[in-house]
Amino acid sequence: GAVVSQHPSWVICKSGTSVKIECRSLDFQATTMFWYRQFPKQSLMLMATSNEGSKATYEQGVEKDKFLINHASLTLSTLTVTSAHPEDSSFYICSARDLAGETYEQYFGPGTRLTVT
Amino acid sequence: AQSVTQLDSQVPVFEEAPVELRCNYSSSVSVYLFWYVQYPNQGLQLLLKYLSGSTLVKGINGFEAEFNKSQTSFHLRKPSVHISDTAEYFCAVSPLVGSNTGKLIFGQGTTLQVKP
Repeated sequence: GAVVSQHPSWVICKSGTSVKIECRSLDFQATTMFWYRQFPKQSLMLMATSNEGSKATYEQGVEKDKFLINHASLTLSTLTVTSAHPEDSSFYICSARDLAGETYEQYFGPGTRLTVT
Repeated sequence: AQSVTQLDSQVPVFEEAPVELRCNYSSSVSVYLFWYVQYPNQGLQLLLKYLSGSTLVKGINGFEAEFNKSQTSFHLRKPSVHISDTAEYFCAVSPLVGSNTGKLIFGQGTTLQVKP
């Protein structure tokens, strides 16, 4: 089956620094990837839609200058949290849509837990 | 705009008992409907989906769900649960606007706690 990986699985960083999270589709090509944020015991909130070769589309209320998204290839999208603060601590999950599959099919990564101290 | 409401935040149930997790949605356009399961510290796994056709859909691990358009509901059921079904369950919709972008709107989640 389709596999999506995320790296790192968890990261601790100091306030004011930046951290990059990678999302890779391992056995398929993904023109579209999605980035979600999940707080403890809460639902997933879509942050942005990442399209290969073009700018990401951010959801209302998400700071595009703080959460930088790059989708440089058909198998890799990155989310960079810039000048991180403790309130950015969360579980970040990506998903990828198979170029050759149905538009509704999304495959989710295992998530990255970010803790900002 | 779309919204999804999962009516129960936690559902405790004994092993081998039946269970129903409730989901209602609101949308001004047609939607696809999904149920996902999330085990601790893991990503989401698709349980089942409704796209069109028969309103009763069957998924993995013995789960099924029924789409009720008039009540805008998509409740998830299993006739007999196992300890291993303990997890977080999310209902989600994907709006069909133009070319479907695949965007998902999730409910708040329901924690299914299966007790021995």
